Formats: sequence, structure tokens, C-alpha cells
Amino acid sequence: AQTVTQSQPEMSVQEAETVTLSCTYDTSENNYYLFWYKQPPSRQMILVIRQEAYKQQNATENRFSVNFQKAAKSFSLKISDSQLGDTAMYFCAFMKPGNQFYFGTGTSLTVIP
Amino acid sequence: EPEVTQTPSHQVTQMGQEVILRCVPISNHLYFYWYRQILGQKVEFLVSFYNNEISEKSEIFDDQFSVERPDGSNFTLKIRSTKLEDSAMYFCASTERTATNEKLFFGSGTQLSVL
Repeated sequence: AQTVTQSQPEMSVQEAETVTLSCTYDTSENNYYLFWYKQPPSRQMILVIRQEAYKQQNATENRFSVNFQKAAKSFSLKISDSQLGDTAMYFCAFMKPGNQFYFGTGTSLTVIP
Repeated sequence: EPEVTQTPSHQVTQMGQEVILRCVPISNHLYFYWYRQILGQKVEFLVSFYNNEISEKSEIFDDQFSVERPDGSNFTLKIRSTKLEDSAMYFCASTERTATNEKLFFGSGTQLSVL
């Protein structure tokens, strides 16, 4: 079974600073996908960034980037130039092709003005 | 950008009543899902649906739950006899699931409150 672990239940960062959210996962699969989803207070699930396991290059989306370490089964999210609108719950997720998504327990991020 | 639509946004029901949660997935998507999130907890998989049948379901998805795609556009989740512990946010999701486009798009959720 696949498991996703987010060891930081809560984090905070000053506005304009950089923060890194951690995620580790456990799988015996070689081909899979990893995601970070953002859930603001509205509770909508918003895709932030996606990484294919077969790609060595780390995914980036504007201020969001990942550090994907396949051997270590680590997938951290870096948010640069943090903005107040980044305040949300962040979920790391794993997906094996043709299968369901597995979510971590989430990290609550607060951006402090 | 196309989006998954869920109705209603809030549903309040009495314990033991039946509820139907409705979803309209993105039109060219073929795989559909229901997830739930109890307040303060992680998102949990309920069921996946493809080609008009359930492809996978979790332990949560017991005989009280059923899904249906009645008309080729709507995708519904029915809870036959609600329990207090069914109170949660229910998310519908869909994906195109091509070889190069594995993205799960979520609806905005239906908050179910069972009294």
C-alpha cells in the first residue's frame, strides 16, 4: 500500500519569505505521479504543482517549486516570495497510474504580514 | 478553464435520511471519483468510476453508498441512510487520464451535515 507522510502539521512564514513543506511517501512502484494541492479556507482543492516520477527535472510553477528526491522518496514544496493568499492547508498526494490518489494529512501554512 | 461542478454546496439532513450529492465532471474526462474530508482530517478516497462501473472503492464505501452516472453528464453519490459520522465535505473529482495528463480536478465540494 502507498502511504504519504507530511510531518509538519503547522508552519508559518513571513510575507515575502521562502518556506519549504516536507512530504515523504512509500511505494514499490517505479512509475507514479506526485502532487501538491492547496486547500484555502473555502475548502476547495486546488492543484498547485505536479511531478512525474520518471522526470529528473524538478517541476516549477511560478513561485512554487519542488525538490523531488526519488531515491529518498521525498517530495518537498518550496514557496518563494510568500503571499498572504498562500495561507492554506497544503496536501501532498501520490498517484500510481490507473489508481487512486493517496493524500497526506496536510500542513497548515500561515503567511504572516 | 473547465471545472468540476458540485451541487448543493451545503446539505443538511436528519440521521437516517437519504441524500444525493451531485457532480458534473469536466466534459471530456473519463474517470470520476468521490472523496470525503471530515473536518480537520485528511482527504479520503471513497470510490472511482470508469466506463459506467465502479473500478475501485475503499472500506468507507459500504453498502450505504452508491454511485451512478444516470445521463452521461451527472455523476451522483447516494448515501442511503445517513449517520452522524457521514458529516463531512464530499469532493467529486475527474481526470482525463491520458498518458501525459494525469491531473485530478476537484469540484468545490458539498458540505454534508447530518443532524
